[in-house]
Amino acid sequence: QKEVEQDPGPLSVPEGAIVSLNCTYSNSAFQYFMWYRQYSRKGPELLMYTYSSGNKEDGRFTAQVDKSSKYISLFIRDSQPSDSATYLCAIRPGAAGNKLTFGGGTRVLVKP
Amino acid sequence: DADVTQTPRNRITKTGKRIMLECSQTKGHDRMYWYRQDPGLGLQLIYYSFDVKDINKGEISDGYSVSRQAQAKFSLSLESAIPNQTALYFCATSDSRRGDNEQFFGPGTRLTVL
Repeated sequence: QKEVEQDPGPLSVPEGAIVSLNCTYSNSAFQYFMWYRQYSRKGPELLMYTYSSGNKEDGRFTAQVDKSSKYISLFIRDSQPSDSATYLCAIRPGAAGNKLTFGGGTRVLVKP
Repeated sequence: DADVTQTPRNRITKTGKRIMLECSQTKGHDRMYWYRQDPGLGLQLIYYSFDVKDINKGEISDGYSVSRQAQAKFSLSLESAIPNQTALYFCATSDSRRGDNEQFFGPGTRLTVL
């Protein structure tokens, strides 16, 4: 079993819809949770980062962490065609050790 | 100007050849990483370096080696390339003073081994 599981998609939604993405993880030592966005032919870039359970909002993006269920989510409201990309979750332990473990990524397509 | 650059951007080579991928950064970060990306597998860590004298193996280091020539330069070598090393390779950097949660990625090198 992979340490981080993520549905590869593709997830196709109409413009303006809410995009819902999620990852599950197996190791309770993971304490930092990130979402990266990767456009085609580009390197990933950090979208959001959170530490605690609960919600964190940044504009149209909301990251949600449920440590008890080992489940993290990313919601994109009012989706735009420019949101079409691959979204990767990434997690890392809270203790010493700064390596990120990435999910496989979910490809999202927002249709005009 | 790009903060993290990778050369070459594309490379086609043959089985058994030695290949070097180079990464340079102008961000002043102390930590650098090499990842490979395969469809559906996300990013897998090959090697990472916390400073010039600190090199560590990642999840999939077999068949690869690295050199940290300076704080700003980190190169990845495939000593004898094989077809299953065909992948997209990314270099990344992070700043230990800022907690390492944000890694900055280069544009990637697409490597094909025939």
